[in-house]
Amino acid sequence: DAMVIQNPRYQVTQFGKPVTLSCSQTLNHNVMYWYQQKSSQAPKLLFHYYDKDFNNEADTPDNFQSRRPNTSFCFLDIRSPGLGDAAMYLCATSRRTGTDEQYFGPGTRLTVT
Amino acid sequence: GQNIDQPTEMTATEGAIVQINCTYQTSGFNGLFWYQQHAGEAPTFLSYNVLDGLEEKGRFSSFLSRSKGYSYLLLKELQMKDSASYLCAVKVDSSASKIIFGSGTRLSIRP
Repeated sequence: DAMVIQNPRYQVTQFGKPVTLSCSQTLNHNVMYWYQQKSSQAPKLLFHYYDKDFNNEADTPDNFQSRRPNTSFCFLDIRSPGLGDAAMYLCATSRRTGTDEQYFGPGTRLTVT
Repeated sequence: GQNIDQPTEMTATEGAIVQINCTYQTSGFNGLFWYQQHAGEAPTFLSYNVLDGLEEKGRFSSFLSRSKGYSYLLLKELQMKDSASYLCAVKVDSSASKIIFGSGTRLSIRP
C-alpha cells in the first residue's frame, strides 16, 4: 500500500541535544510538509517542499531545519530542542494537482527531558 | 491575518445526526478541507469543497458558502468510532499547496 511512514513513532531527547525525525513516502507526491501539533491545538505548518523548492514559514524558529535529499525522503532536524518543542510532529504529502488533499504519516511524538 | 473558527467541543448520541460548523476569514480562498483526527493519530482526509453547495460522501456531507465564509460537516447515523476531532482547513493560495487548519472540534459520541 502506498503510504507515508515516519520513524521513530516516539522519540525522547535531552534538552539541547540535536534530534532528527524522518519521513518517507511511497506515493511519489511532489509536496512534503512538516507540522508541529501540540495537545488540543491545530497542526502548525513549519515548512514544506515543492519538489526541491523549500518554503519556510515566517514564524518557524531557526532551531528547526529540514532536508529533502530525494522525492521519497524528508527530514526534520531540531538543533537544540527546548522543553517547548515537545509535541507531535506530523509529516504529510500531496500531489499539488486536483484536490491536493494531504496524506499524513502517523506522526512522531517527541519528548524533551 | 487568517482566522478559522470552530466550536471546541460537541457531544452527540449514537445513531443521531450532528453538524459541525466552521467559519473562516482568510486572505484568499482556494478550497476548504475537512479532516478527521482520532486521539494520538494523524489526520485523515474527509472532504473537499471549492464551489458552493453540498458534497455528499456516505454518512458524511460537507457544505460550503463562499459568500458567507462558512462551511459545515454533517455526520449522519453516528457511530461510537466517530468520536474524534474534526479539523476544518482552508487553502488560501492557488499557487501554493499549504493549508491553514482550525483548532478542531472534539466530538464525543454517547451510547
